[in-house]
Amino acid sequence: DQQVKQNSPSLSVQEGRISILNCDYTNSMFDYFLWYKKYPAEGPTFLISISSIKDKNEDGRFTVFLNKSAKHLSLHIVPSQPGDSAVYFCAASGSGDYKLSFGAGTTVTVRA
Amino acid sequence: NAGVTQTPKFQVLKTGQSMTLQCAQDMNHNSMYWYRQDPGMGLRLIYYSASEGTTDKGEVPNGYNVSRLNKREFSLRLESAAPSQTSVYFCASRLDTIYFGEGSWLTVV
Repeated sequence: DQQVKQNSPSLSVQEGRISILNCDYTNSMFDYFLWYKKYPAEGPTFLISISSIKDKNEDGRFTVFLNKSAKHLSLHIVPSQPGDSAVYFCAASGSGDYKLSFGAGTTVTVRA
Repeated sequence: NAGVTQTPKFQVLKTGQSMTLQCAQDMNHNSMYWYRQDPGMGLRLIYYSASEGTTDKGEVPNGYNVSRLNKREFSLRLESAAPSQTSVYFCASRLDTIYFGEGSWLTVV
């Protein structure tokens, strides 16, 4: 039973526009959320995180929003650049939990 | 600045053969992990080690064994490889965020 769900397997966006990636979770014990980016033939790399005490975290072009009541988070990339074309994974863990649960990933393609 | 290093990068096995994937981290992290990535399935946890001397099963442990040799090293063993174990394997270590190795592409024929 997947506790972290990314329901959009792919997203295509024009360069310069906003990319919005969505993630839903079912485990109410999750309190720390992360986004990872993965290029082909490489390992995933950490992008941005948010703890449950916040509802927004921003780092340059990347902003993560958390809606705890809806058990939903989203990643906004503004503006989107060709180098942003990758697979994005949403992940979550609970306090004191050593494990991270990952979503299935969303493949983002930024069109020139 | 190596981070997480895993070997081999590519391997082809015949059904029934055994092999060990090696992983080492130089960040002095206590927790280490083995994940597998399959199309449409995301990253699924095979085994993890919260600290040196401990190992625990993840979501998909069947067919695998692990050894936490010391704080730096965490190996994954396939005792009798099956085609269903064809996948990309990622080792990782964690402080707050999790850091991944570059992956090992395993094909079982």
